[in-house]
Amino acid sequence: GAGVSQSPRYKVAKRGQDVALRCDPISGHVSLFWYQQALGQGPEFLTYFQNEAQLDKSGLPSDRFFAERPEGSVSTLKIQRTQQEDSAVYLCASNRDIGADTQYFGPGTRLTVL
Amino acid sequence: AQKITQTQPGMFVQEKEAVTLDCTYDTSDPSYGLFWYKQPSSGEMIFLIYQGSYDQQNATEGRYSLNFQKARKSANLVISASQLGDSAMYFCAMRGLQGKLIFGQGTELSVKP
Repeated sequence: GAGVSQSPRYKVAKRGQDVALRCDPISGHVSLFWYQQALGQGPEFLTYFQNEAQLDKSGLPSDRFFAERPEGSVSTLKIQRTQQEDSAVYLCASNRDIGADTQYFGPGTRLTVL
Repeated sequence: AQKITQTQPGMFVQEKEAVTLDCTYDTSDPSYGLFWYKQPSSGEMIFLIYQGSYDQQNATEGRYSLNFQKARKSANLVISASQLGDSAMYFCAMRGLQGKLIFGQGTELSVKP
């Protein structure tokens, strides 16, 4: 009965570095979402997976952002050539299936780009 | 386009009192879902309560209830008997296409002893 886990919890990167953020959803959950939360704001949608298929990536802010979920469980959000404006908390959420009501969130990864 | 508006950046409430956090929404979809999440300083988003657009009764979960007024497009959260541990950010959200959530700006609730 573990919840959604994310790693690392905190990441400091120098501008221009690549980073990879990991999300382990609740076991058996079909749907997985990534959100970006800037300081003092509500989370904003980045991308959505149903199993291994990325069905919506309309929220990814630039082509430096890439997400994958190759086996339909663990997902990785990769940010290439990080910029200061990428500093935010990155939240991952999962739910049972496409029709389920409730998304369960992980603790987030706080990314700081210097 | 779907939108959530929370007009209260911050609220104070005395311990053991009730408090209402406001949320209005905009959507043209006939079927939608509304959520409230709590985000303490640790950062995790904790699900509190859900209201479906076709639900006849207002949702309740323990000390949380959702005052759903469909004609006014409002979905206010009522917390009864506030506790010090209720101090946190509270977000109202709507389920959009393919289940993604659209969040408001949040309300920071402070419970005073």
